[in-house]
Amino acid sequence: AAGVIQSPRHLIKEKRETATLKCYPIPRHDTVYWYQQGPGQDPQFLISFYEKMQSDKGSIPDRFSAQQFSDYHSELNMSSLELGDSALYFCASSLQRGGPYNEQFFGPGTRLTVL
Amino acid sequence: AQTVTQSQPEMSVQEAETVTLSCTYDTSESDYYLFWYKQPPSRQMILVIRQEAYKQQNATENRFSVNFQKAAKSFSLKISDSQLGDAAMYFCAYRSAQGGSEKLVFGKGTKLTVNP
Repeated sequence: AAGVIQSPRHLIKEKRETATLKCYPIPRHDTVYWYQQGPGQDPQFLISFYEKMQSDKGSIPDRFSAQQFSDYHSELNMSSLELGDSALYFCASSLQRGGPYNEQFFGPGTRLTVL
Repeated sequence: AQTVTQSQPEMSVQEAETVTLSCTYDTSESDYYLFWYKQPPSRQMILVIRQEAYKQQNATENRFSVNFQKAAKSFSLKISDSQLGDAAMYFCAYRSAQGGSEKLVFGKGTKLTVNP
């Protein structure tokens, strides 16, 4: 079965550079979530989109922005990168009316390293 | 705001034995969902088991079962007949059942080691 695709899988950037992470949800899924997992930390919710509209917002820095496109893929744009942005970034997708759980299926993550 | 607490940073178990991972949570909501996720060294987040708060019956998935105590706000995971492949970080997670807030709130995780 198709899974959530994230690209790139690994990304190395310098401080103050920008980065764009992409997420391709499972076909027919209409909701995308972004999580950030720092080294040795639990995943922290950043932002989510449902039907191309922002549905919830967590601890996402102002330097970050995200959107969901008409084909439901999503991009997380990160500017003025800081060392502390080094983390594993997960995208998850779900189908809003896919059942009571609206289970979130996670992608493999993008490992961002800021030097 | 909801919080999830996993009081065991690390646990170990002998292969074929049983281990229980603890999780408590704090919420003022009456309806919600609870999950256990497994994160092996590959870092992929894998759903292990899930529980709806309004269901009193404890969820079971093969060798994995939960002990859900709603009044105590406790949601422990029991792994029976532990296998080497069960070695991973295990995260307990909470999700509100109220519309508009479907984010997962995770605990800090428990690292499970399985000894042969």
